[in-house]
Amino acid sequence: ETGVTQSPTHLIKTRGQQVTLRCSSQSGHNTVSWYQQALGQGPQFIFQYYREEENGRGNFPPRFSGLQFPNYSSELNVNALELDDSALYLCASSLEFTSGTGETQYFGPGTRLLVL
Amino acid sequence: QKEVEQNSGPLSVPEGAIASLNCTYSDRGSQSFFWYRQYSGKSPELIMFIYSNGDKEDGRFTAQLNKASQYVSLLIRDSQPSDSATYLCAVKEYGNKLVFGAGTILRVKS
Repeated sequence: ETGVTQSPTHLIKTRGQQVTLRCSSQSGHNTVSWYQQALGQGPQFIFQYYREEENGRGNFPPRFSGLQFPNYSSELNVNALELDDSALYLCASSLEFTSGTGETQYFGPGTRLLVL
Repeated sequence: QKEVEQNSGPLSVPEGAIASLNCTYSDRGSQSFFWYRQYSGKSPELIMFIYSNGDKEDGRFTAQLNKASQYVSLLIRDSQPSDSATYLCAVKEYGNKLVFGAGTILRVKS
């Protein structure tokens, strides 16, 4: 069984640039959720994708957008980067909308983004 | 705004002792509760989940849930220095998003 993978592991951008982060879900999982974790804080929900459609969004501006592909992998895009976007971006995969306890979310290693 | 509260710590315990980590949540309708462990610079890893009132044990870990008091706790028995990490409590909201607390730093001293 393949776990959740993310790329790249680290990224440095300058203010105003755009960034794309990638996530491959754990095999058998159909849902990907993205979280932002600032230093010293718990992860904050950005949005979730199920069957290639956004299925819930947290309190993040529209410049945060995403995609899910038929193989359930996902991208997070952030436009017009701001200094406060510097954080660890986490992808979590799960098997949602099934019976039982398949709704547990498993996290990838994260992408650490630094905006200068 | 629905919230999850944790004492930020650090909580310091000697090796071999029981560490008790606590979490309260505001959404009375929450049904699923999770504990994650996060080592410095790493991503959260699942320790255990609990859905029903009472205790759930897994090895050295016991999760306790009291929905009436909106309280979740994690007990770590026989604490080891390798247990030193930040422990995140998470509550699943309607729509499948996880709401996390800020985490409790645990330090186990040998």
